[in-house]
Amino acid sequence: AQSVTQLDSQVPVFEEAPVELRCNYSSSVSVYLFWYVQYPNQGLQLLLKYLSGSTLVKGINGFEAEFNKSQTSFHLRKPSVHISDTAEYFCAVSDSGNFNKFYFGSGTKLNVKP
Amino acid sequence: NAGVTQTPKFRVLKTGQSMTLLCAQDMNHEYMYWYRQDPGMGLRLIHYSVGEGTTAKGEVPDGYNVSRLKKQNFLLGLESAAPSQTSVYFCASSPFSNQPQHFGDGTRLSIL
Repeated sequence: AQSVTQLDSQVPVFEEAPVELRCNYSSSVSVYLFWYVQYPNQGLQLLLKYLSGSTLVKGINGFEAEFNKSQTSFHLRKPSVHISDTAEYFCAVSDSGNFNKFYFGSGTKLNVKP
Repeated sequence: NAGVTQTPKFRVLKTGQSMTLLCAQDMNHEYMYWYRQDPGMGLRLIHYSVGEGTTAKGEVPDGYNVSRLKKQNFLLGLESAAPSQTSVYFCASSPFSNQPQHFGDGTRLSIL
């Protein structure tokens, strides 16, 4: 089974600074990759997805992520964060073993300080 | 513009009681999923369905049952609740596999 690792459980950052949230997955088979954001007491919302094509994926709210097959990574980046970006971020993967199943990382809490 | 609706939003149960969580989607999606979210563990898939009348086991299916009698509804049942099932439960749907999932707002379940 696939496993997804988000090494940073919490990331504090000042407003307008850049941020990178890391995501690594275990299997190098064909994968589909997603980043979701969760605000307090809400469900998850899609930020961006990689299904195929360009390895640099742009999403909503100025976020982007880069698929690196050799390093089995899909790190999320934003060049300048806002207070409103404070939330928990989850990386998710499905693979050719069973594309119906999604595996989620444990989440990274982004805390943007003024 | 409801999307995915979960009922109830909160519930407290005693050990051994049973209950059913309801998930309804109005997007005509084929695929539906039930997850549980526990602190520091992300979301773990309990059961999923690839269409009306079908169900399949996810990562953590023990102690739960599901049914998908209608395309728009996906029910999660706890026959005999245990404290280890205290969690936040999320339902999600997608038009087909590999596509992003749409999530409900969650059901917060406490079992005493």
